[in-house]
Amino acid sequence: GQSLEQPSEVTAVEGAIVQINCTYQTSGFYGLSWYQQHDGGAPTFLSYNALDGLEETGRFSSFLSRSDSYGYLLLQELQMKDSASYFCAVFTGGGNKLTFGTGTQLKVEL
Amino acid sequence: EPEVTQTPSHQVTQMGQEVILRCVPISNHLYFYWYRQILGQKVEFLVSFYNNEISEKSEIFDDQFSVERPDGSNFTLKIRSTKLEDSAMYFCASNGGGRSDTQYFGPGTRLTVL
Repeated sequence: GQSLEQPSEVTAVEGAIVQINCTYQTSGFYGLSWYQQHDGGAPTFLSYNALDGLEETGRFSSFLSRSDSYGYLLLQELQMKDSASYFCAVFTGGGNKLTFGTGTQLKVEL
Repeated sequence: EPEVTQTPSHQVTQMGQEVILRCVPISNHLYFYWYRQILGQKVEFLVSFYNNEISEKSEIFDDQFSVERPDGSNFTLKIRSTKLEDSAMYFCASNGGGRSDTQYFGPGTRLTVL
């Protein structure tokens, strides 16, 4: 079966840097995505790694190590609006199905 | 910027009733999906759809569920006889580039079964 593990909750202060880790066990791995979800909202795409290494998009960066079945999302210069749940998700099966992790609730404090 | 839209935003129904959730994917996208999220839990894959047929479905997607693309723009999820445990947020998603392409999610329909 597929499983993705993330910390359930992370708290950080405004302006800080936070890293959210994701470890996975899947078959037919194609790539690792990260989504942000505010309460009651839709998952919003943040980043995608198909190959090992770091991808940077503004304040957000994502890293993947396929050999370690591990990735992380790095958020810099935290803002209050970054308070949300963050999900890692992998493409599995035929490559179209997204399997989501358990989600990490990020709380940004003053 | 193109986006996925869903209607209604909230649907309340009685147990045993049929519901149809509607989605309009991004116009040039070819792959369509339904996911659900029970309150406080993770997002779960239900079904993927391409070229007018189901390409993959999960164990959740049993005979009570069906999907259809009735015209060139809409994509629907039907639940024939709703159960209390079907209460969840249902998200439609689409992508245009096939395997491993980024999936864009709609705002969701909150289904409440009483």
